Amino acid sequence: NAGVIQTPRHKVTGKGQEATLWCEPISGHSAVFWYRQTIVQGLEFLTYFRNQAPIDDSGMPKERFSAQMPNQSHSTLKIQSTQPQDSAVYLCASSLEGSNERLFFGHGTKLSVL
Amino acid sequence: AQSVTQPDARVTVSEGASLQLRCKYSYSGTPYLFWYVQYPRQGLQLLLKYYSGDPVVQGVNGFEAEFIKSNSSFHLRKASVHWSDSAVYFCAVSAFSGGNNKLTFGQGTVLSVIP
Repeated sequence: NAGVIQTPRHKVTGKGQEATLWCEPISGHSAVFWYRQTIVQGLEFLTYFRNQAPIDDSGMPKERFSAQMPNQSHSTLKIQSTQPQDSAVYLCASSLEGSNERLFFGHGTKLSVL
Repeated sequence: AQSVTQPDARVTVSEGASLQLRCKYSYSGTPYLFWYVQYPRQGLQLLLKYYSGDPVVQGVNGFEAEFIKSNSSFHLRKASVHWSDSAVYFCAVSAFSGGNNKLTFGQGTVLSVIP
């Protein structure tokens, strides 16, 4: 079991470019979460899928951010027209279905927008 | 809405000393409570969790936490810390409502253990 896999580990983009971040959840896990981690804001919830369906995207910025889960083996977070304030570590986590199931986190993708 | 407050951004203790990291949560219903740890260059890992039963829960590596409902607190404790415990610790709350079980995290506490 390789755990939650996030690619790339580091991504550098220029202001205004698009960034796509990938997440492969643990096989058999039905829930996938995206969080953003910064020094100032800490861990911010972005969005959550269960059985590939979007459940809660209340943390997603209304513009430029989108997330998809086209199949049970991967999810993507896309940021259009990246801005310097988007620089952060983006964390993906997966869990078995259930309200008190532990989240398994990936190592994250560090996004740097120049 | 749920929220978590970790009032101590940084804590420094000497190796062998006891430790308490504070956590207070806000949620009107029955919360699920968690402590996660983030070691340098590693992903977040679960230390322990609580939903019901004995309010003192045991976790990995000698950590424990006590749920005090009257105080809305879930402080993390360890009797004797080791230098390898240096990490960032996050308290989190989950509220299973309408099928939405997202975790809300506190700001984290950076623990530095002095050898």
